[in-house]
Order: sequence, then C-alpha cells, then structure tokens
Amino acid sequence: SYVLTQPPSVSVAPGKTATITCGGNNIGSLSVHWYQQRPGQAPVLAIYYDSGRPSGIPERFSGSNSGNTATLTISRVEAGDEADYYCQVWDSSSDHRVFGGGTKLTVL
Amino acid sequence: EVQLVESGGGLVQPGGSLRLSCAASGFTFRSHAMNWVRQAPGKGLEWVSAISGGGDNTYYADSVKGRFTISRDNSKNTLFLQMNSLRAEDTALYYCAKVRSSFETDGMDVWGQGTTVTVSS
Repeated sequence: SYVLTQPPSVSVAPGKTATITCGGNNIGSLSVHWYQQRPGQAPVLAIYYDSGRPSGIPERFSGSNSGNTATLTISRVEAGDEADYYCQVWDSSSDHRVFGGGTKLTVL
Repeated sequence: EVQLVESGGGLVQPGGSLRLSCAASGFTFRSHAMNWVRQAPGKGLEWVSAISGGGDNTYYADSVKGRFTISRDNSKNTLFLQMNSLRAEDTALYYCAKVRSSFETDGMDVWGQGTTVTVSS
C-alpha cells in the first residue's frame, strides 16, 4: 500500500516560515490534502488538491507538490499555528485514503 | 451551519459489536461522499472507510475489511458504521467527515467531534 512519510516534528520561531514535507513515491502525480489538528480538537482541512485553500484558512498557508515531495508552507508563523499537521492522498490502486504519520509543529 | 454529530461509541468486550451513527445537517447530504476516520489515543489519523453520495460505492481500510460495514440513509441524513468482531486495536476516537465536493477523492472539509470506542474486557 502507498506510504506517506512526514517528519515527526518541526520547530519554528514566531514570524518565521515553517515548511512541512510529505514524501511518497511519485506523489507529484497524486493530489494531496493537508489537515491541521490542534490539541483536543477535530482536524481541519487546511489545503486541498495540493494548493487550494478553504475559506477561513489564512493566506499564510500554502501548498505545493512535485516529484516525490509535497510541501505545506506556513508563513509568518503564529503561536496559534502550533498543531499536528497531516498530509493525505487517495491511492487509486487500492481505493484507499492514506494519511501521513503527522508532523507536530512547535512554535518556539 | 454545517454540522456532523457522532454517537454510539462506548465500552465493548473483544469480539463484540457496536454501531456508530453520524447525524448531518446544514448541507445536501446525498451530494457528498462521507468517511470514517479514527485516532487511537496519542496516535495519528487512520482512515477507516468511505461511501459515495448515493451509497453505491464503499471502501474499507485493510485493517477493518470484513469486520466493519459503512452505510448511509440519505432520507435521514445519517451515516453509519457497523463494527463487528471488535479488537483491542480498534480502540480509538472515531470521526465522521464530509468530503468537500462530489468527488470521493476530495479533501474532507467538515469533521464531527468524534465518538470514543473502547474495546476491553
């Protein structure tokens, strides 16, 4: 089955840029969705179809996808961005949704 | 307001059964695929199952295939997950989630608050 690999943790200072990666075999040929999950809360869709931004998600959040890596970028990081972030794809070979293991973003 | 409210979780013995429900409101339920996603304590998100808007197509994670059954009642705007032969590793918070568009592969833009399933003797 398809595997998505994320770094377990990323740390960033307030006001700086956070980059969270999601690796997968030729992931650039798939569509990637990103979810934010704050502690004790349900996940929230942060990015859809690689780079789409749902209403209510700040413009500071952006996504890209190419080759073997998809990337979630958070500019001008704020304390409220501290959360777990998950990438997700639909694996058409198995008709399964697949999540990455998640990345804990810590704002220093 | 678009809302999903799960119910039906609880404590069950290994080998037992539970039926989860998810009541939807604020959107055209039949037009959207729906999913169940679970999260074991302290762990990441794990996709469990999906169903198309009309209910014709269903999909299951390998870990639950043959034990869980997803269904929906579009007349009552309700999603279900029948869970049989439960195991300790099924212990988790179970979320229902709405797909953003009519495409089953789209992102999940609305999530409930979850219902807790504990499998233990």
